[in-house]
Amino acid sequence: EVVLTQSPGTLSLSPGERASLSCRASQTITSTYIVWYQQKPGQPPRLIIYGASTRATGIPDRFSGSGSGTDFTLTINRLEPEDFAVYFCQQYGSSITFGGGTRVEIK
Amino acid sequence: QVQLQESGPGLVIPSETLSLTCIVSGGSVSGYYWGWIRQSPGKGLEWIGYIYHSGSTDYSPSLKSRVTISVDTSKNQFSLQLTSVTAADTAFYYCARWSHYGGFDHWGQGTLVSVSS
Repeated sequence: EVVLTQSPGTLSLSPGERASLSCRASQTITSTYIVWYQQKPGQPPRLIIYGASTRATGIPDRFSGSGSGTDFTLTINRLEPEDFAVYFCQQYGSSITFGGGTRVEIK
Repeated sequence: QVQLQESGPGLVIPSETLSLTCIVSGGSVSGYYWGWIRQSPGKGLEWIGYIYHSGSTDYSPSLKSRVTISVDTSKNQFSLQLTSVTAADTAFYYCARWSHYGGFDHWGQGTLVSVSS
């Protein structure tokens, strides 16, 4: 099973700052097969990035994804109040697994 | 806009079978994979499995022995059965559509299933 390790567990930032979230895989994953979701309390996850770097429909350009091999990053530039949430990475190169999530909270 | 709605019992007795149905509206089940994902309260996400409209399935290796996912194209819905449940199966259960580009792009609101006697 491919294990995805997300870090940090919690990121405390102020609106307007930049968030950098890491997702490390236990084995090499083709970047095509990396996805990111945002989840807010009481809501299902929302697809924000697919193919490691392509924004899903309606996702603002302050969200960007990058990475290759075993290391992938979600970057949120100029945090808006609505961006404070939990973010999960997911891979589907070998079965489907999710990372444990990173909580982005208001400092 | 595609919408998904989970339905089923909110309480299941240990050792019995958890059964949920996901009704799809605003679009057809044809041409897509449809999946089940669960989330223990306050925890991360766990993929359970998915099914293509033709009936082809793929399941999580850790749950494969207990899971069956089926689809009814005439009713535009798909279903989950999880046998021999324990308290560890208590979770929010989500149904979702797998995008052609990768990832689950449409989700139901989720339903909490508790396993308890």
